[in-house]
Amino acid sequence: AQTVTQSQPEMSVQEAETVTLSCTYDTSENNYYLFWYKQPPSRQMILVIRQEAYKQQNATENRFSVNFQKAAKSFSLKISDSQLGDTAMYFCAFIPFNAGKSTFGDGTTLTVKP
Amino acid sequence: DAGVTQSPTHLIKTRGQQVTLRCSPKSGHDTVSWYQQALGQGPQFIFQYYEEEERQRGNFPDRFSGHQFPNYSSELNVNALLLGDSALYLCASSFRLAGQDTQYFGPGTRLTVL
Repeated sequence: AQTVTQSQPEMSVQEAETVTLSCTYDTSENNYYLFWYKQPPSRQMILVIRQEAYKQQNATENRFSVNFQKAAKSFSLKISDSQLGDTAMYFCAFIPFNAGKSTFGDGTTLTVKP
Repeated sequence: DAGVTQSPTHLIKTRGQQVTLRCSPKSGHDTVSWYQQALGQGPQFIFQYYEEEERQRGNFPDRFSGHQFPNYSSELNVNALLLGDSALYLCASSFRLAGQDTQYFGPGTRLTVL
């Protein structure tokens, strides 16, 4: 069974600054995907970024980037130039390749302060 | 391009009743997964449907059942409702092809059991 741990229940950051959210996972699988999802107060879960475990290069999407350390089973999310609209709960998720059964962490509530 | 839609938005039931939630996947998607999200927690995987069959199942009792229709839409049924079934129920769709396991979420159905 897979587990996903987000050790920071709450974080805050000043607008325009950079923040990093942590995620660790445990699995015996070798091929899998990792995701960060954002859930604003309206509750619609939105995909932020995706990483394939077989790729060494860290994924980047505009202001969002990840630091994927496969050996350490670590998958952190860096948000640069934080904006007020980034305020949300962020979930780290794991999916084994071709298995479809996702495992989510319990989330980190991020507040961006003006 | 229509995203994932769910109905109803909110639902109030009493203990022992039965409930049916509905989901229409994103255009082009053929796989539907259901999740239960308790307040302040991450989504918990219930099951996944592909080609009208249940392909994966999480640790949920048989009171939770589902169905997928030929048009890929899906239903989640919960029988003999318990107070603990109160949660946000999320539907996610994806395209079941190797390397295409990114799931897109609907807005959810908020179920309250009294």
